[in-house]
Amino acid sequence: DAGVIQSPRHEVTEMGQEVTLRCKPISGHNSLFWYRQTMMRGLELLIYFNNNVPIDDSGMPEDRFSAKMPNASFSTLKIQPSEPRDSAVYFCASSSVSSGNTIYFGEGSWLTVV
Amino acid sequence: AQSVSQHNHHVILSEAASLELGCNYSYGGTVNLFWYVQYPGQHLQLLLKYFSGDPLVKGIKGFEAEFIKSKFSFNLRKPSVQWSDTAEYFCAVNTLYNQGGKLIFGQGTELSVKP
Repeated sequence: DAGVIQSPRHEVTEMGQEVTLRCKPISGHNSLFWYRQTMMRGLELLIYFNNNVPIDDSGMPEDRFSAKMPNASFSTLKIQPSEPRDSAVYFCASSSVSSGNTIYFGEGSWLTVV
Repeated sequence: AQSVSQHNHHVILSEAASLELGCNYSYGGTVNLFWYVQYPGQHLQLLLKYFSGDPLVKGIKGFEAEFIKSKFSFNLRKPSVQWSDTAEYFCAVNTLYNQGGKLIFGQGTELSVKP
């Protein structure tokens, strides 16, 4: 299995630009999670989907952040406009009942906003 | 609200020393418990998990953890650490089993092993 695939792996962008992070969950997994990791705040759950439907987006910091899951094999996390405080590692993860609800993480997208 | 607390922010050990990292959670219902490891510059990887049955769980790389329900604890142990165990360790709890398994993480414990 290819695991959770994220792109881009690294991105440096200027403040005010739009950033789109992409995720392909493990095939057959029906839950998808977006986490953000920073030194100051640790790991934060931003949003998660179950069967492509957003279940809990209470962790999304503000309206500049949005996430979509148009189908079972693809999700995006968008930041518009980006700000320096958005600099972090963004992890996508997926799970399913068949995996015992064990969550498997992608390798992360390292975002730097200058 | 559910929460996970890891007692130690940073632990420094010499090789061959024994390790115990504390984890406590606050939730009265059924839980699934996890320990993840994050090596420097890498993503989180599953170390071990507890769903039910024997409360002493063995994971990869010689790690084990014990679930003590009465103490709401799930401490991670390893009898003899190696330099390659240098990493950050996260305890996590899953309390929404039927809704796709939202994980709540502790703040992490950074382990530094001196050769």
